[in-house]
Amino acid sequence: DIQMTQSPPSLSASVGDRVTITCRASQSISTYLNWYQQKPGEAPKLLVYYASTLQSGVPSRFSGSGSGTDFTLTISSLQPEDFATYYCQQSSSTVLTFGGGTKVEIK
Amino acid sequence: EVQLLESGGGLVQPGGSLRLSCAASGFIFNNYAMHWVRQGPGKGLEWVSGISGSGGSTNYADSGKGRFTISRDNSKNTLFLEMNSLRVEDTAVYYCAKRHLDKANWFFDLWGRGTLVTVSS
Repeated sequence: DIQMTQSPPSLSASVGDRVTITCRASQSISTYLNWYQQKPGEAPKLLVYYASTLQSGVPSRFSGSGSGTDFTLTISSLQPEDFATYYCQQSSSTVLTFGGGTKVEIK
Repeated sequence: EVQLLESGGGLVQPGGSLRLSCAASGFIFNNYAMHWVRQGPGKGLEWVSGISGSGGSTNYADSGKGRFTISRDNSKNTLFLEMNSLRVEDTAVYYCAKRHLDKANWFFDLWGRGTLVTVSS
């Protein structure tokens, strides 16, 4: 199976900060990489697919980049509603795998 | 309204069985592949299983292979997950998720609220 490694596992940031989360695949996955946001007690929500395509309705402060094995999710100016856990997910293989998550907390 | 609603979770002893259901509404159910994703207490997301729109193709994570069976009833817009030989480590919230129509990139654009399965003696 393709292993997905996210870093950091958690981070503390302030409103207005620029935040970058990294996701690394154990082998090349082209751009078959998707990002989700999950708030406590809620289901995950799709943010980005194909590494860089923003899902409809997602604010433009979110952006994704990367291809091959290294990917990033960036929040250009962190807002109060962005404090959550973020997961990457690969679909290069039909055995889908998620990263371990990155929890974004208030500083 | 476009939504997914899971049910069937509960407390079961190790070695027991449970059948989860997911009722879909607001979209043409048989056009979409459907999946189950779970999340253990305080843990990350883990993909469990998926099924094509027709029901003719299924796949499973190794953790459930041979123990879990995914199926669907398109006449009732309902997805199922039959779980047998349950283990303590199967304890999780189980989410039903609708896969986007894209055939190359499998990702989920609609999720249910989840149903909690607790395996404990």
